[in-house]
Amino acid sequence: AQSVTQPDIHITVSEGASLELRCNYSYGATPYLFWYVQSPGQGLQLLLKYFSGDTLVQGIKGFEAEFKRSQSSFNLRKPSVHWSDAAEYFCAVGAGGTALIFGKGTTLSVSS
Amino acid sequence: DVKVTQSSRYLVKRTGEKVFLECVQDMDHENMFWYRQDPGLGLRLIYFSYDVKMKEKGDIPEGYSVSREKKERFSLILESASTNQTSMYLCASSLLLAGGSDYGYTFGSGTRLTVV
Repeated sequence: AQSVTQPDIHITVSEGASLELRCNYSYGATPYLFWYVQSPGQGLQLLLKYFSGDTLVQGIKGFEAEFKRSQSSFNLRKPSVHWSDAAEYFCAVGAGGTALIFGKGTTLSVSS
Repeated sequence: DVKVTQSSRYLVKRTGEKVFLECVQDMDHENMFWYRQDPGLGLRLIYFSYDVKMKEKGDIPEGYSVSREKKERFSLILESASTNQTSMYLCASSLLLAGGSDYGYTFGSGTRLTVV
């Protein structure tokens, strides 16, 4: 069965430090891959997506993610975290005739 | 700016009530979705619809039903609300079912439902 795993429930990063959020998926074929961000009390906002082609994708707010087929991973990165990046982050996977499957989310806290 | 609008941000209902959650999109999207979000469980798909009057069960459809009479509107119905349905409900829409377009899924701001 298809699944998405975000191994880290909660991460704390110092402001200005780099960030990597992990996402692993289990899918039969190369899926569509997404990262969404949710600020408190808000809906989900699309950060970036991968459909095909270049495995390093750039998104909004300075985020990037790299698709690694051999590791079934799609990790999210940012070189320098800002306090406003504190939020919950969701990885999602979709393919063909199925709706998106979401991971359980990673909560990011930013310390000063 | 594309939009998915959920009619209520906060709702408080009593056990046993019939509850309607409304969602409207202005993007002419074929597909609409209802997810439930709970701490530590992420987003779980309740139902989705790929066309007017068409619906498919998601992972947790028990205790819920849906209605899509017009393309832009997708309603989630709790037939007899129970306390274990207290949750955040998120509506989304998309051009393609698996989200393979420029916007992926577009989400509403959510409805926080409390059943007492």
